[in-house]
Amino acid sequence: AQSVTQPDIHITVSEGASLELRCNYSYGATPYLFWYVQSPGQGLQLLLKYFSGDTLVQGIKGFEAEFKRSQSSFNLRKPSVHWSDAAEYFCAVGAWRGGSQGNLIFGKGTKLSVKP
Amino acid sequence: EAQVTQNPRYLITVTGKKLTVTCSQNMNHEYMSWYRQDPGLGLRQIYYSMNVEVTDKGDVPEGYKVSRKEKRNFPLILESPSPNQTSLYFCASRNFRDRGPGTTKGEQFFGPGTRLTVL
Repeated sequence: AQSVTQPDIHITVSEGASLELRCNYSYGATPYLFWYVQSPGQGLQLLLKYFSGDTLVQGIKGFEAEFKRSQSSFNLRKPSVHWSDAAEYFCAVGAWRGGSQGNLIFGKGTKLSVKP
Repeated sequence: EAQVTQNPRYLITVTGKKLTVTCSQNMNHEYMSWYRQDPGLGLRQIYYSMNVEVTDKGDVPEGYKVSRKEKRNFPLILESPSPNQTSLYFCASRNFRDRGPGTTKGEQFFGPGTRLTVL
């Protein structure tokens, strides 16, 4: 069964520093991969997604993520964090190729705090 | 504006009092889903629907019901709510068929959430 692991529950970085949020997935074939962000009291917003092709994908708000098949990873990066990036980040895997139901499996999230 | 709407946004109720949380999308999406979000557990799927009159259980369906009589609506029903159903609930929809440039295929669009407290 597919699963998603986000090893870091909480990360604190200084404003202007670089950021990497880790995501590892378990799935037998090439998955669809997503990163969502949830600001306090808000719903989920899609940051970026990977379906196929170029393994480095660009998203909104200056985020990017790299799909590494050999490591089963899809880590999210940002070169310079802004205070407004403080939020909770969720990695998700979708496995609806080959007739599956089309569901997303979410990681448990990584909460990002930004120090001034 | 393409969106998923949920009502109510906040609800406090008592154990055993039936309630319905509505969800509606205006994007003509086939697929709709309900999730609950609890601290430290991420989002867990309750029920989903592949199309009108087609629904199926997700990972945590106990205590919930759904219906899909119209393509745009997917209400979540709690027949006899209990305190362990206190949670933040999200409805989502997605499109199966979009193939064009900048496709939204596979992307789930989420509603703003409903915070439910069962006393």
